[in-house]
Amino acid sequence: EIVLTQSPGTLSLSPGERATLSCRASQSLSSSHLSWYQQKPGQAPRLLVYGTSSRATGIPDRFRGGGAGTDFTLTIRSLEPEDFAVYYCQQHDSLPLTFGGGTKVEIK
Amino acid sequence: EVQLVQSGAEVRNPGESLKISCQGSGYSFTNNWIGWVRQVPGQGLEWMGIIYPGDSDTRYSPSFQGQVTISVDKTFSTAYLQWTNLEASDTAMYYCARHRGVGAAYFFDSWGQGTLVTVSS
Repeated sequence: EIVLTQSPGTLSLSPGERATLSCRASQSLSSSHLSWYQQKPGQAPRLLVYGTSSRATGIPDRFRGGGAGTDFTLTIRSLEPEDFAVYYCQQHDSLPLTFGGGTKVEIK
Repeated sequence: EVQLVQSGAEVRNPGESLKISCQGSGYSFTNNWIGWVRQVPGQGLEWMGIIYPGDSDTRYSPSFQGQVTISVDKTFSTAYLQWTNLEASDTAMYYCARHRGVGAAYFFDSWGQGTLVTVSS
């Protein structure tokens, strides 16, 4: 089973700041098989990025995904108030599909 | 518009059975895998399993194999998640999601609203 480790667990930032979220895999992944989701309280997760760096429909370009091999990042260029949420990475490289433990981006 | 609509919240006693549903619309239901994801209150997302409605091919996470059954009824464009012997530890929000591929990339692009299952005596 591929384990995804997200860091930090919590990121305390102010609106307008840049957020960098990390997702490390226990073994190398195809870059096509890493996606990121955003979840706000009381809501279902929402797809942000797939294939490491492709933004889903309607996702603003301040969200940028990158990385390769075992190290992947999600960068939010300039935080908007609506971006404060929990973010999860997920691998679709092999079964069982797995999620990272999540990074909470909170208002400082 | 792609939509996944899940059945409503459920409360059960330990040892009881339960079947929750997820109805898809706005796309070709039979040609897209549907996955189930568990979220225990205050915790992260756990992938439970996935089913291909076209032929009912089903894959389970080892953590959930034997604990739940995933099924589908193509006639009603509906996927199901079923328990025969609920435990308090099954208390969680359960999401269904469409598993889609674009080129070599795969992802869950549409999610149901979630079904809250509470198991308590």
